[in-house]
Amino acid sequence: AQSVAQPEDQVNVAEGNPLTVKCTYSVSGNPYLFWYVQYPNRGLQFLLKYITGDNLVKGSYGFEAEFNKSQTSFHLKKPSALVSDSALYFCAVRPETDSWGKFQFGAGTQVVVTP
Amino acid sequence: GAVVSQHPSWVICKSGTSVKIECRSLDFQATTMFWYRQFPKQSLMLMATSNEGSKATYEQGVEKDKFLINHASLTLSTLTVTSAHPEDSSFYICSARRTGGSGKNIQYFGAGTRLSVL
Repeated sequence: AQSVAQPEDQVNVAEGNPLTVKCTYSVSGNPYLFWYVQYPNRGLQFLLKYITGDNLVKGSYGFEAEFNKSQTSFHLKKPSALVSDSALYFCAVRPETDSWGKFQFGAGTQVVVTP
Repeated sequence: GAVVSQHPSWVICKSGTSVKIECRSLDFQATTMFWYRQFPKQSLMLMATSNEGSKATYEQGVEKDKFLINHASLTLSTLTVTSAHPEDSSFYICSARRTGGSGKNIQYFGAGTRLSVL
């Protein structure tokens, strides 16, 4: 069975500083990895995915993530955080072999960016 | 592209009544849709996988007779909470899986439905 760990319940960062949200995973076979962001009382918005290819993936709103197979990690990063980046971030994984494409989500990390 | 519409966004009902939530993929066909439940400040809990033209597959612990899912077309799945009770109050979110194009393998989410049962 697959699992996702987001070790930090909350990340606090000052506006303009680098932002990192951590994610590690466990899955049988090759992983498909995803990051989503959720604003209050809203659904999830897709940020980026890793399926195959370059380990560094660039996504929406200036976010990027690096797939590290040896460390089974897929940390989300942004070089310069904005106050508007304050939201709940979810990492998700599914095994390549799951034909239905079911995701396993992490517990979520609340990001707070202060002016 | 890849827009998923979910209605209603908020519903209040009396205990014992049934509530239907619709999930539509507006600009792509979705043979597979998912229904999640989310408690405050918690992650998404997958309730069921909805496949067009076939019965939904429910996760362990989810009551099939309480949460009825119908996926009658490639763009519409519905979740009906039957005989709702206060403990069913929650945030319900649907997603649709894109099977082709640049968005392949991505789940696109609706905006969610806040259900409050009095």
